[in-house]
Formats: sequence, C-alpha cells, structure tokens
Amino acid sequence: EPEVTQTPSHQVTQMGQEVILRCVPISNHLYFYWYRQILGQKVEFLVSFYNNEISEKSEIFDDQFSVERPDGSNFTLKIRSTKLEDSAMYFCASSGDYPSNTGELFFGEGSRLTVL
Amino acid sequence: DAKTTQPTSMDCAEGRAANLPCNHSTISGNEYVYWYRQIHSQGPQYIIHGLKNNETNEMASLIITEDRKSSTLILPHATLRDTAVYYCIVRGRGSSNTGKLIFGQGTTLQVKP
Repeated sequence: EPEVTQTPSHQVTQMGQEVILRCVPISNHLYFYWYRQILGQKVEFLVSFYNNEISEKSEIFDDQFSVERPDGSNFTLKIRSTKLEDSAMYFCASSGDYPSNTGELFFGEGSRLTVL
Repeated sequence: DAKTTQPTSMDCAEGRAANLPCNHSTISGNEYVYWYRQIHSQGPQYIIHGLKNNETNEMASLIITEDRKSSTLILPHATLRDTAVYYCIVRGRGSSNTGKLIFGQGTTLQVKP
C-alpha cells in the first residue's frame, strides 16, 4: 500500500539553527500538508500546498516557516531559526485530487524535532 | 467547518464492540463526517467518512443520525491494538476547500483485556 514517508524520524538541534524536514508524499497525490503536535497536545494544522503554492496557512505558520516542493517527489518544511517552542512532532500528509477521490488525508509517521 | 464534541475518554472490553459518539449539531448540508485515529504518537490514520448514509468498511461502521447532528463510530470487535485517540472531524468538500482537517482533542479509547 502506498504511504507517505518522512525523514528524519528524529532530529535534535540547537536553538537558532535552521531545520529542514522532508516528506515524500504518495506519488499521484496533488495536495500536501504539514501538521505539528506538541507533546501532550492536539494535532495542529500548519499549511496546505497545491499547484506549487501555499493554499492555506494557520497563524502558527509565520515567517520562520516555509515549504517547498523542490522536485517531483519531495515536499519540505523549513524552520529558519528554531525556537524551544518548535519542539514537536511534525506530520506530513497528502491527498488525491478533488472531487474524484474520497478526500482522506494520508499521514506519515512524523518527524520528531527537539530544540535544545 | 462545523465544531464537534466527543467524550474525553472511554473504555471497552477486548472483543466487544466499541461505540464512539460524536455531536456535530451545526453541521451543514455539504459537510462530511470523517473519523481518524492516532495510535500512540504515530501519524493520524483515516478510518471512515460519510455524508448522511451509514457506511461500513473493513475497519469500522459509521452511523449518522437522520438529522445529521450526531454520529457513532463502531469498532465491531475491539482489540488491544485499537487503543488510540479517535477524532471525529467535520469538513466540507469541493474545489474551494483546501482539504485541511482540524483536529480536536478526540476520544481516548482504552481497550482492556
């Protein structure tokens, strides 16, 4: 069964450093998402991406964050200058095209980011 | 998207049916009900979705009331591996919707031996 893959599974970084989290969505999907989950809290939407541009972003997704689809397979989340409060699990998700599919999002297993 | 209300936690005996309720009294006509679950800290996993008819797949059944103001997810024979947080999410569909899901706190289902 096709799946969304994320790397790294765990990254430890120093405050102020740049971090790039990588995702390989399901190959024929067109919609891509990043979510985060701070330990013990709910899953929060960060950004959605379609047709090579951001389609929607949350208040969390400020200027420190950026997303990119540099080639036909990868979808990346960059945090420019990490803060302690960026420590969280980051989930990538993808979805097929509307309205032909059922619209469910497929999530990766996540990348745990620890900022020291 | 309409707001949902779920109990914070529930227990279920292994092998018995788990019935997880969800209220979505402000749901509008073009909004679907989706159920996802999150096992431990893994990525959320799609379970099932529906508009107004009851739905069944290999994982679960979804019962939506006639007025669509509430629904119940049924895991017919719960196993220990079904212990997870279950999220009921209401979402519109269509070209104007970016497809994002908004997760609440969900229901923590504990399946006990």
